Amino acid sequence: RKEVEQDPGPFNVPEGATVAFNCTYSNSASQSFFWYRQDCRKEPKLLMSVYSSGNEDGRFTAQLNRASQYISLLIRDSKLSDSATYLCVVSRQAGTALIFGKGTTLSVSS
Amino acid sequence: GAGVSQSPSNKVTEKGKDVELRCDPISGHTALYWYRQRLGQGLEFLIYFQGNSAPDKSGLPSDRFSAERTGESVSTLTIQRTQQEDSAVYLCASSFRNEQFFGPGTRLTVL
Repeated sequence: RKEVEQDPGPFNVPEGATVAFNCTYSNSASQSFFWYRQDCRKEPKLLMSVYSSGNEDGRFTAQLNRASQYISLLIRDSKLSDSATYLCVVSRQAGTALIFGKGTTLSVSS
Repeated sequence: GAGVSQSPSNKVTEKGKDVELRCDPISGHTALYWYRQRLGQGLEFLIYFQGNSAPDKSGLPSDRFSAERTGESVSTLTIQRTQQEDSAVYLCASSFRNEQFFGPGTRLTVL
């Protein structure tokens, strides 16, 4: 079983749609959680950290459920520029190696 | 300010040759990480440095892979006797606290 699992998609949605991505992780000792975004043939870039209390950044909302070992990302009012691969990422300890899921591909069309 | 830089951006080599990949982290970042991303796959952790020492080398796939860091700055990843399965994008990241910033990667193709 992979340490971080995501539905690979692709998710194909129209502009303005709301879309949700889910992720599960297997190591209950994981301490830090992130969503990264990766555009085609580019390096990953941090989208947002994920906290147990949930956090929001504009149109993006991330949630963490430690009991279920489940992380989610909600994107509201999708834009064409949101088209990318979204990577669910965990770390066993702050500042150490990141463990990446394979990513969920989102395609937003007009 | 300058981000993480890596060189070369592309490297094509023949099977059996050695290659060296370079990473220049963001100035002042104490931690440096190497990852690998094969085509269509997720990122795999290789090794990380805190200062010049490597507390975690657990991701290095074989003894053909090694890395060093000097001056708490530049790092080189060396792959000896390259094999076709080594073909991938090799990504370097650096961090000061928790957030890791990635370089653009070196695309390695082993013929």
